[in-house]
Amino acid sequence: NAGVTQTPKFQVLKTGQSMTLQCAQDMNHEYMSWYRQDPGMGLRLIHYSVGAGITDQGEVPNGYNVSRSTTEDFPLRLLSAAPSQTSVYFCASSYAGADYGYTFGSGTRLTVV
Amino acid sequence: GENVEQHPSTLSVQEGDSAVIKCTYSDSASNYFPWYKQELGKRPQLIIDIRSNVGEKKDQRIAVTLNKTAKHFSLHITETQPEDSAVYFCAASPPSGTYKYIFGTGTRLKVLA
Repeated sequence: NAGVTQTPKFQVLKTGQSMTLQCAQDMNHEYMSWYRQDPGMGLRLIHYSVGAGITDQGEVPNGYNVSRSTTEDFPLRLLSAAPSQTSVYFCASSYAGADYGYTFGSGTRLTVV
Repeated sequence: GENVEQHPSTLSVQEGDSAVIKCTYSDSASNYFPWYKQELGKRPQLIIDIRSNVGEKKDQRIAVTLNKTAKHFSLHITETQPEDSAVYFCAASPPSGTYKYIFGTGTRLKVLA
């Protein structure tokens, strides 16, 4: 098993550009989520999905879109990048929900200039 | 919604000493409390967790205690070693059926040789 795979590992965007962060898992986990990590602020939930076709907002959803067409993939789209979206982004998956441990991807370090 | 406070933000201990990190949560219905370790530049990894029907859980040198009345839980690391140096995050999860882990802001633990 590869676990949770995120691409790219690093990305630099100009303000206003759009891009998609990719996340895939091969563990047949129903639950997937996206977090952003900023210094001193821990991990904040952006969006999550409880299964294919079902997504919902987390704590900080503005400026981001998600979709879940398959169990394996959960891409995060930045619609119009802003410097405030400079962060490290982690995708995570869980076997059965928020009361089980997460497996995290290796992260994407995004810089918006 | 749930709020999780974590203290201290930084902690330095001598090798061989014990370290204790404390978290307080706000939602009395929360029922799952995981701890994650994140080494520099790496992804968070689950190290131990506890459910609300258990007061204490141990795994070798690490243990977690839960006080439901006071709504706080703690991570205890005994006989600390340099490889324990990392950032530790606590989290609290509301009852089954939801998917919104809320993380604490993290504790940077330094084990001094």
